[in-house]
Amino acid sequence: SQQGEEDPQALSIQEGENATMNCSYKTSINNLQWYRQNSGRGLVHLILIRSNEREKHSGRLRVTLDTSKKSSSLLITASRAADTASYFCATDRLTGGGNKLTFGTGTQLKVEL
Amino acid sequence: DGGITQSPKYLFRKEGQNVTLSCEQNLNHDAMYWYRQDPGQGLRLIYYSQIVNDFQKGDIAEGYSVSREKKESFPLTVTSAQKNPTAFYLCASSMLPGDGYTFGSGTRLTVV
Repeated sequence: SQQGEEDPQALSIQEGENATMNCSYKTSINNLQWYRQNSGRGLVHLILIRSNEREKHSGRLRVTLDTSKKSSSLLITASRAADTASYFCATDRLTGGGNKLTFGTGTQLKVEL
Repeated sequence: DGGITQSPKYLFRKEGQNVTLSCEQNLNHDAMYWYRQDPGQGLRLIYYSQIVNDFQKGDIAEGYSVSREKKESFPLTVTSAQKNPTAFYLCASSMLPGDGYTFGSGTRLTVV
């Protein structure tokens, strides 16, 4: 079953604008991660935020986590055409079989020149 | 350079045939994972292994099998029992459970 759900499913913006993607999840987590996937390629890890953290930055990326609302957001500032990709949130939780990372359905971002 | 290598990039399977997808990593990571991705969807976990000679079923293990005889290798066999195997298969690894994952470039399997 999908643990995370991203919103919106698709987003189209102009180069230079900011892009915000949201992720909601259902159960308690150890951490939440964001990944990028270019069409037909593997995923690239962008950033990890632990359950006791509220905000994290990495370059043009800003991630927030609200565990009381079970939600996270990814902000990409000053977007570029090269940011065009699908973005997935993934939640890490501890199960009887060890840590499991469960992915959401993704947001397709298109940055136009 | 360290990374994960998946092969082949494209694979065609006939009905009733077993096929094996290769996944090799030189990152010295203990944990390895197999995911399946269908068009326009997220990733679903097939199998994972947190240590050599041990592996666990994920959410959609039926029709698949794995082995973990070496730290570097985690091959996935798609058996004839998997009724809808056409998908994009992704292998990943992490140093420790709960860390960020490093992904391979994927194998696209098509049933012909």
